Amino acid sequence: GAVVSQHPSRVICKSGTSVKIECRSLDFQATTMFWYRQFPKKSLMLMATSNEGSKATYEQGVEKDKFLINHASLTLSTLTVTSAHPEDSSFYICSADPWTSGGAYNEQFFGPGTRLTVL
Amino acid sequence: GQQVMQIPQYQHVQEGEDFTTYCNSSTTLSNIQWYKQRPGGHPVFLIQLVKSGEVKKQKRLTFQFGEAKKNSSLHITATQTTDVGTYFCAGRETSGSRLTFGEGTQLTVNP
Repeated sequence: GAVVSQHPSRVICKSGTSVKIECRSLDFQATTMFWYRQFPKKSLMLMATSNEGSKATYEQGVEKDKFLINHASLTLSTLTVTSAHPEDSSFYICSADPWTSGGAYNEQFFGPGTRLTVL
Repeated sequence: GQQVMQIPQYQHVQEGEDFTTYCNSSTTLSNIQWYKQRPGGHPVFLIQLVKSGEVKKQKRLTFQFGEAKKNSSLHITATQTTDVGTYFCAGRETSGSRLTFGEGTQLTVNP
């Protein structure tokens, strides 16, 4: 199966700072990637769909200016949490969907996630 | 928009007991997938069902897709402690659309 990496795996930052999280598809091209947020013992909440070469599509209730998404290449999408606050602390997971990118696999491949803690 | 509901939210079983989680979609699905997320880990793909009434087995796991392609179930026979985790269903409304995830069922197994 395909591999998706995510960096960093864990980050602790001070309130008011910005944090960038990278999501890479290592062995396939992904024109579409997804960013999820997951609270402890809760389901995956889709934040946005990242589209290579165009603007991300945000889900209702997700602030575009707060969570900046850039999909600069076919293998890299980044999520920047701007002016982070303690309530932004969460587990952020990206996934790549080869199917919607015209690939052979129909499943989504998830990155290992990034645990963000804002002090 | 499309909604995927999953029950139960939590299930506690004794090792050796069976376990079932159910998934219902508000719309007819093109296909449905199941994922497992271990504590502290990320979701990992288990299986995909495409055909109406399809049943697939993976060792102790049995997956079913309803005749109307709006519901699905995952049944684990004789649970083991290694089955602990959260099981998510995820459906595609059409073949090119994105996946919509259910809320997940968190399974704990007491040894």
